Amino acid sequence: DGGITQSPKYLFRKEGQNVTLSCEQNLNHDAMYWYRQDPGQGLRLIYYSQIVNDFQKGDIAEGYSVSREKKESFPLTVTSAQKNPTAFYLCASVNRDSYEQYFGPGTRLTVT
Amino acid sequence: QKEVEQDPGPLSVPEGAIVSLNCTYSNSAFQYFMWYRQYSRKGPELLMYTYSSGNKEDGRFTAQVDKSSKYISLFIRDSQPSDSATYLCAMGRGFQKLVFGTGTRLLVSP
Repeated sequence: DGGITQSPKYLFRKEGQNVTLSCEQNLNHDAMYWYRQDPGQGLRLIYYSQIVNDFQKGDIAEGYSVSREKKESFPLTVTSAQKNPTAFYLCASVNRDSYEQYFGPGTRLTVT
Repeated sequence: QKEVEQDPGPLSVPEGAIVSLNCTYSNSAFQYFMWYRQYSRKGPELLMYTYSSGNKEDGRFTAQVDKSSKYISLFIRDSQPSDSATYLCAMGRGFQKLVFGTGTRLLVSP
């Protein structure tokens, strides 16, 4: 099955710890995105990458970091510098021929 | 003013009703438009994608785009309780980042 996988589904961390969220896709899409979703605020773009070894900051990049070493993978690290890390994190990839954007199932991160 | 406006709802309808979900936008440069369905604690699922003004139909769903009015709609015919979800509109231009509405919560009662 082609698609986007995110792991884990739920993640719990103590304040002050860095945590890495996994995102893998087998759709052969060049572009990948990370969003954060909070109740009542819609989707906010954290980082995106249109090609391997290149990525750009989105609207709320502070306290986050990414890497894009392989086309299939775009992991997101939530650092201790992120002031409100508890949220639902969504990874997406884009079909370059049609611009259709597909989402993974999400990771719910809780930091206490 | 937000680039995309979407009524948050909730919109409550009885089973079998026709549902109309709408978004307005301010940027006339948007080229393509999408509708997503998101169940609670799940990732958004792409329902409809349109690249031009007019209507596009897929089963019980019809997407309508009116670029002159900067207005898009999603119609759901014969709504079912399983359609209860949050519906997000999104629009974009080329490979510039998508702009999303905040979502409309739909409740279909049996």
